[in-house]
Amino acid sequence: EPEVTQTPSHQVTQMGQEVILRCVPISNHLYFYWYRQILGQKVEFLVSFYNNEISEKSEIFEDHFSVERPDGSNFTLKIRSTKLEDSAMYFCASRVQGGGTDTQYFGPGTRLTVL
Amino acid sequence: GNSVTQMEGPVTLSEEAFLTINCTYTATGYPSLFWYVQYPGEGLQLLLKATKADDKGSNKGFEATYRKETTSFHLEKGSVQVSDSAVYFCALRASGAGSYQLTFGKGTKLSVIP
Repeated sequence: EPEVTQTPSHQVTQMGQEVILRCVPISNHLYFYWYRQILGQKVEFLVSFYNNEISEKSEIFEDHFSVERPDGSNFTLKIRSTKLEDSAMYFCASRVQGGGTDTQYFGPGTRLTVL
Repeated sequence: GNSVTQMEGPVTLSEEAFLTINCTYTATGYPSLFWYVQYPGEGLQLLLKATKADDKGSNKGFEATYRKETTSFHLEKGSVQVSDSAVYFCALRASGAGSYQLTFGKGTKLSVIP
């Protein structure tokens, strides 16, 4: 069964560094998402992406995140100048095109630790 | 704004016990409601969903009924197994075209002991 994959599974970085989290969505999906979960808190929406542009983004995203689909398979989340509070689990998700198709398929997540 | 509240965990049950995980929501209109499950080391997997009032979602012995009057979507299973040990997330997608972002609850960790 096709699945969303994410790399790396765990990333440790120093505060102020840039990190790129990678996701490979399911191949026939056209809508892509990033969510994050700070330890002990809710899973929060960051951004949705369709047709090579952002379709929705949260207030959290406005700060120092960006997304890109550099080729036909990868979907990346870049965090510029990481902060301690960026430490979280980051989940990528994808959804097939089609009105009323609600289901988002999630990857296993990348745990980001900012020191 | 939209929000989801689910019961705090962790929940520890013996095998074959009855499970209820409460979930209530705040949203305008008629959101779609979901339960996702996360097994250790894996991603969030859709467990079940309901898209309109009084719909019942079911999968793998789990059930949840969309109750508009109480704004609830409680997850139930009649007899849990050790393999059901996981974190369960309640979520909603707001009604209306154009927005597919999910709003999640905090998650409830379930541990089932033999």
